[in-house]
Amino acid sequence: KAGVTQTPRYLIKTRGQQVTLSCSPISGHRSVSWYQQTPGQGLQFLFEYFSETQRNKGNFPGRFSGRQFSNSRSEMNVSTLELGDSALYLCASSPNRASNTGELFFGEGSRLTVL
Amino acid sequence: AQSVTQPDIHITVSEGASLELRCNYSYGATPYLFWYVQSPGQGLQLLLKYFSGDTLVQGIKGFEAEFKRSQSSFNLRKPSVHWSDAAEYFCAVATTSGTYKYIFGTGTRLKVLA
Repeated sequence: KAGVTQTPRYLIKTRGQQVTLSCSPISGHRSVSWYQQTPGQGLQFLFEYFSETQRNKGNFPGRFSGRQFSNSRSEMNVSTLELGDSALYLCASSPNRASNTGELFFGEGSRLTVL
Repeated sequence: AQSVTQPDIHITVSEGASLELRCNYSYGATPYLFWYVQSPGQGLQLLLKYFSGDTLVQGIKGFEAEFKRSQSSFNLRKPSVHWSDAAEYFCAVATTSGTYKYIFGTGTRLKVLA
C-alpha cells in the first residue's frame, strides 16, 4: 500500500509569489491534515479536510488556503509569500476524521524556501 | 488552552544506554496521547499511542511509554538505545471533547554516541 505522497518535495520561491502543494493520501483515507514545521515552533496545525469539506482550521492568516478533491487528494496554497513561510509542510492522512482514529500517517513533506 | 511541553530540546546518550524523553500536557480531560519519530528528511512515524486502559503502552522499535494522570505526563522510554534511534521525537495529544485538536510538542532531538 503506497504511503502519503507529497509533491513537490523541494521548491524555492521569492517573496510575493504564490505556491501550491499537493498531497495524495493513502488509498481509502478520507481525511487529510496539513501542518507547518519550523525549527523551534514544532508542528503547527493548518487545516483538516474530510470529504471535501474543511473541518478544522488553525491560526494562520487567510493567505493559507486548501481544498480537497473527490478522490481525497488535497492541495494547499500560500499566496503572497513571506520569508517566514519558509518551512517544511507536512500532510497527514487518516481513514476517517482524525478525531475518530487518532493516528496520523504522514508524508515526507514539501520543503519550501522563500527568498 | 491545551498544550504539550517537551522540556528537553536536545538529548545525547551513548549507544546501549537507557533513554527517557519527557512529555507533559495541559488538558482538562484525559486526551489521546501519541509519540511520533521523525528521521532526517522524513515525515513522522507513529511509535505508540494511548487511548485508555493499561497506562503502560508498548510501541515499535522497542519503545514504551507510561501515562501518569496525576502528573499529566506521557514519558517515552527505551532500555537500550541503538545508533539508528537518532532522530527527533514528538509527543502529541488529541483532545477528546469539544472541537477536535491534535497538538504537537516542539520535539526532542536525540543524538546517539557510538
